[in-house]
Amino acid sequence: KAGVTQTPRYLIKTRGQQVTLSCSPISGHRSVSWYQQTPGQGLQFLFEYFSETQRNKGNFPGRFSGRQFSNSRSEMNVSTLELGDSALYLCASSRTGPGETQYFGPGTRLLVL
Amino acid sequence: QKEVEQNSGPLSVPEGAIASLNCTYSDRVSQSFFWYRQYSGKSPELIMSIYSNGDKEDGRFTAQLNKASQYVSLLIRDSQPSDSATYLCAVNEDTGRRALTFGSGTRLQVQP
Repeated sequence: KAGVTQTPRYLIKTRGQQVTLSCSPISGHRSVSWYQQTPGQGLQFLFEYFSETQRNKGNFPGRFSGRQFSNSRSEMNVSTLELGDSALYLCASSRTGPGETQYFGPGTRLLVL
Repeated sequence: QKEVEQNSGPLSVPEGAIASLNCTYSDRVSQSFFWYRQYSGKSPELIMSIYSNGDKEDGRFTAQLNKASQYVSLLIRDSQPSDSATYLCAVNEDTGRRALTFGSGTRLQVQP
């Protein structure tokens, strides 16, 4: 069974731009969670989607948004990029939610200049 | 603020020794506990999940959970240099907040 895939793997943007990251979960998984990982803050929860509905959102500004499609694929968008948004963005999928095992994708490394 | 605490390390052990990694959590209603391994520049990889008090063994890895003490640990027997990585403890409360809370990770170094 194929794992979680994320595209693109690397991205360089400048301040003020916006970016869209994509995540395809493991087949049969309906829950997709997004996390931001930085050296200073560690792994922080962004939001979780299940059946095209956002069920929970972490403590991030409204510039961070996401959505999920009927095939469970998910995208996250960051608008008006700031230098501090430079991070590894990780997507994780599970069958029904984070209470059970989540499997992580390889991540998208975003650098904001 | 729900917290998951881990010693950042590095924890250095010789090859073949037992590595003991510890994690404490603040939220008493936490129900699901996970250990992930993360190599530098890579994404977290699941090692173990544990839901009930006691020990759970999988190969060289043993997870131990004590909900009364709000403590979860990971033992790695016969440590190998390839085990050198950062080990992340993650906790989920399963009561509405559908998100994992991660500790900052413990860096393990296995010396050949």
